[in-house]
Amino acid sequence: SAVISQKPSRDICQRGTSLTIQCQVDSQVTMMFWYRQQPGQSLTLIATANQGSEATYESGFVIDKFPISRPNLTFSTLTVSNMSPEDSSIYLCSVEEGWSRDTQYFGPGTRLTVL
Amino acid sequence: GESVGLHLPTLSVQEGDNSIINCAYSNSASDYFIWYKQESGKGPQFIIDIRSNMDKRQGQRVTVLLNKTVKHLSLQIAATQPGDSAVYFCADHQGGKLIFGQGTELSVKP
Repeated sequence: SAVISQKPSRDICQRGTSLTIQCQVDSQVTMMFWYRQQPGQSLTLIATANQGSEATYESGFVIDKFPISRPNLTFSTLTVSNMSPEDSSIYLCSVEEGWSRDTQYFGPGTRLTVL
Repeated sequence: GESVGLHLPTLSVQEGDNSIINCAYSNSASDYFIWYKQESGKGPQFIIDIRSNMDKRQGQRVTVLLNKTVKHLSLQIAATQPGDSAVYFCADHQGGKLIFGQGTELSVKP
């Protein structure tokens, strides 16, 4: 499976600021996904990012709060804007692989704490 | 709404015993399921998957069973080891997206 890295691995931020999280894959992939995992909770899909098109956001997530870039087939960024303590979570990117392209593999995550 | 849920939030087993983690799903049209293992501080790791045209699939020390009649799947871990301690998630592939269950924390006692 693809090797996925994320930067930063963790950060502590002040409320009202923004943080951009990077996701790098070692091979070209069509679909990339961004998830949020709140403390002690499961994973919730934020948006799907295809190269060359705007991201598709899930209900409850908006582009102004979580802008996403997908400039090429190996890279994506997620920005958490105007942060509040409620944004403290682990943010994970994933890619779709497999012969039927529906198996997702995950990066190590970015642990964000907002003070 | 459609959801994937787990029966038990925590499971404690003795080292060497077999573990069984259960998951219920509600979308009868779901055709693909994945089990993930998430260790503390790490991203979810793919363990095993199964498609709806199968009722059993085996990997190394793990077996997934799918019962479409009652919309239930389980993950069996044979000879559980301390390294198996983690949170286990089932995920249901729906409409091009993965819907995750709430997770079961597996604790292995030495």
